[in-house]
Amino acid sequence: DAKTTQPPSMDCAEGRAANLPCNHSTISGNEYVYWYRQIHSQGPQYIIHGLKNNETNEMASLIITEDRKSSTLILPHATLRDTAVYYCIVRAEPSGGYQKVTFGTGTKLQVIP
Amino acid sequence: DVKVTQSSRYLVKRTGEKVFLECVQDMDHENMFWYRQDPGLGLRLIYFSYDVKMKEKGDIPEGYSVSREKKERFSLILESASTNQTSMYLCASSLSGGQLSGNTEAFFGQGTRLTVV
Repeated sequence: DAKTTQPPSMDCAEGRAANLPCNHSTISGNEYVYWYRQIHSQGPQYIIHGLKNNETNEMASLIITEDRKSSTLILPHATLRDTAVYYCIVRAEPSGGYQKVTFGTGTKLQVIP
Repeated sequence: DVKVTQSSRYLVKRTGEKVFLECVQDMDHENMFWYRQDPGLGLRLIYFSYDVKMKEKGDIPEGYSVSREKKERFSLILESASTNQTSMYLCASSLSGGQLSGNTEAFFGQGTRLTVV
């Protein structure tokens, strides 16, 4: 699986959009970009994933650059409950076999009142 | 809702003890994983299993073993606990690739904070 690079920490004002960047310059054609977050004292939680098109769900939007070497997770209106560590992961979707999920150190997002 | 349940939230064990961490999932997932999480190091994969009785080493398997006798249960075993195994342990499960329904996101348990004294 390709490695990812994320800033260790970010602040965001409550109510504003939080834009979390991720670099994955060695991503290969069959690898997806996944985002998880981990709120303090809980297990990680899936947010969103995509391959090349931008994706949106009820939690967030994912913008992937055309060359797929980087992506941005957008929380449109950050709340205090969005304070968490956010992990960007790239991995292939296997056609029928197993896969392992490897996490990096993530970005600690602090939402400020 | 998918549920991944770890048997204990907090555990204190003595150096040299044999420790079992249990994880059960209720969604018939093929894949199960054990991670440990330490400050500044993020989540590191210890072992994973893609089927009953099958296991693969992750990035830091030394000092650990695993058991998957039933599809829903994945156990992490510390044969002889040491203080450097004090950590937060997280279990996860996911569908295998090739499934026609659902994506293969990983679902995590709440974690077990193990302290070895």
